[in-house]
Amino acid sequence: EAGVAQSPRYKIIEKRQSVAFWCNPISGHATLYWYQQILGQGPKLLIQFQNNGVVDDSQLPKDRFSAERLKGVDSTLKIQPAKLEDSAVYLCASSLIGQSHEQYFGPGTRLTVT
Amino acid sequence: TQLLEQSPQFLSIQEGENLTVYCNSSSVFSSLQWYRQEPGEGPVLLVTVVTGGEVKKLKRLTFQFGDARKDSSLHITAAQPGDTGLYLCAGGSLAGNNRKLIWGLGTSLGVNP
Repeated sequence: EAGVAQSPRYKIIEKRQSVAFWCNPISGHATLYWYQQILGQGPKLLIQFQNNGVVDDSQLPKDRFSAERLKGVDSTLKIQPAKLEDSAVYLCASSLIGQSHEQYFGPGTRLTVT
Repeated sequence: TQLLEQSPQFLSIQEGENLTVYCNSSSVFSSLQWYRQEPGEGPVLLVTVVTGGEVKKLKRLTFQFGDARKDSSLHITAAQPGDTGLYLCAGGSLAGNNRKLIWGLGTSLGVNP
């Protein structure tokens, strides 16, 4: 079974530029999560989708971050414009509906904003 | 607000030593998960515990869920350099119909040969 795929793995941009990350979840997983992880800390949930609907985006900085999952499969997270404090690893995870919260993560995208 | 406190935050030990990592909260969780994350990779699920008092073993790792389902511990016996990584606990919460995980800040473990 293929795991969660993410691209790119690394991205370096200047502040005020825009950037987009892509995620393809495990086949059949209806729930998709985007997390932000600062080095050495636990993940912070940015947005949670169930199929193509948003379940929780309470911690998403909506003035600069946006995410979509138009067909209920893969998803894109965008930052525009980026700030220095957005430097982090962006993790995508997926899970089955009804499972005991078990989430499966992709390798992440390391973003550096200079 | 539900919080999970992990301790210690950092741990550096010699190969062969034993260690315990703790995960504590004042909230009750429906499940508790432990993940391990290596540099440059996403977290990988190690175990899920769902019943108060439950103990699960995974080779040299022993996981315990507190009787009240508010806390958990991870014990590693005879640590090896391959155990090095960030250990994360996450509590399962049901907010309405939304299943979400409450994450600890992690314990960074280094095992020296």
